[in-house]
Amino acid sequence: EAGVTQFPSHSVIEKGQTVTLRCDPISGHDNLYWYRRVMGKEIKFLLHFVKESKQDESGMPNNRFLAERTGGTYSTLKVQPAELEDSGVYFCASSHRGSGAANEKLFFGSGTQLSVL
Amino acid sequence: AQKITQTQPGMFVQEKEAVTLDCTYDTSDPSYGLFWYKQPSSGEMIFLIYQGSYDQQNATEGRYSLNFQKARKSANLVISASQLGDSAMYFCAMRERGMDSSYKLIFGSGTRLLVRP
Repeated sequence: EAGVTQFPSHSVIEKGQTVTLRCDPISGHDNLYWYRRVMGKEIKFLLHFVKESKQDESGMPNNRFLAERTGGTYSTLKVQPAELEDSGVYFCASSHRGSGAANEKLFFGSGTQLSVL
Repeated sequence: AQKITQTQPGMFVQEKEAVTLDCTYDTSDPSYGLFWYKQPSSGEMIFLIYQGSYDQQNATEGRYSLNFQKARKSANLVISASQLGDSAMYFCAMRERGMDSSYKLIFGSGTRLLVRP
């Protein structure tokens, strides 16, 4: 079974440019999460999809970030325009929606290392 | 206030010995979940172990065990018989209820473990 895949693994862009990150969750997983780790800091929650709907986007830093999950399969996270402070590792995670939400195990991808110069 | 605290930025352990990675948490929710993830140099986040707030016994998964002390709000990870492949970043995380009853993970800053041969 394929795991959570993220593309690209690395992206180097200039300030002001646009970057789109992609996440393919594990097949059949309704829940999809985006997290990011800015250099030297904790991994922070960005948002949560249930199928194609945004369940919780309270962690999105500002309106330069746009996440979509058309059709409830893969998701994209677009940063436009990118700023220096957006540099970090962006993780995607997915899980199967079950009855025991508190112990729901998240499967993470390898992340996208974004560098904004 | 920081909700997940990992006070050890780096740890060394001799191969075949046991090591304890510290984690303390803060929450007022009586129902919560605690997780440990491993991040090797390849980047992916690997689930290791889970402890529910109502679980009576400490969680164990192979060489991993969780020393759960609820009154002290600590959830330390114990790795027995360390192996060279255990060298990685280790993150403690807590499941917190978000908007619309969704759950999101709150991560600590991580501990880098290096196993010496």
